[in-house]
Amino acid sequence: GEDVEQSLFLSVREGDSSVINCTYTDSSSTYLYWYKQEPGAGLQLLTYIFSNMDMKQDQRLTVLLNKKDKHLSLRIADTQTGDSAIYFCAESEGNAGNMLTFGGGTRLMVKP
Amino acid sequence: GAVVSQHPSRVICKSGTSVKIECRSLDFQATTMFWYRQFPKKSLMLMATSNEGSKATYEQGVEKDKFLINHASLTLSTLTVTSAHPEDSSFYICSAEIGHRPDTQYFGPGTRLTVL
Repeated sequence: GEDVEQSLFLSVREGDSSVINCTYTDSSSTYLYWYKQEPGAGLQLLTYIFSNMDMKQDQRLTVLLNKKDKHLSLRIADTQTGDSAIYFCAESEGNAGNMLTFGGGTRLMVKP
Repeated sequence: GAVVSQHPSRVICKSGTSVKIECRSLDFQATTMFWYRQFPKKSLMLMATSNEGSKATYEQGVEKDKFLINHASLTLSTLTVTSAHPEDSSFYICSAEIGHRPDTQYFGPGTRLTVL
């Protein structure tokens, strides 16, 4: 079955850039997503990328996709303390909006 | 933006009782709703996919008689954990999808279930 993996933890200083990495195994992944989960809350979609793209930028967020290596990354520029959360990458295959397969989540801690 | 609510947000129950969790799309009609379970420090695991008026599709390893899903309308899906046991304690999250676009699946805030 599909497998999505992330590192567990990342710590950065406020103002630095954060890079969260994700690898996946499913070649048929059509969309790849980044979600943010704050303590005790549900998931908020940050951004997504279609599998035929290699980069997408949205304000402070940059998503890079290396389809050959099945590697996805999320870069957060000028990281703020409010960015502290758990970040999940996810993939879906086939039609958009199908069920998502999530990675284990990366806990980002931003130190002032 | 689209809002999905869950009720209750927290529930504590005794072993052997049944617990119902509601998932509502407040300002849109959802074509499909999903139920996820999140273990501490672990990822979300999809439990089942439900469409209004039809039986839910359960993922492998999820007991359909244990986790009853009823999708009564385009805005409401319920998950009932029957005869709950301590190992059912978890964070349950639902999501609702408007249409088949990558940015139209909206997540509820989750329900923390603790079974004593």
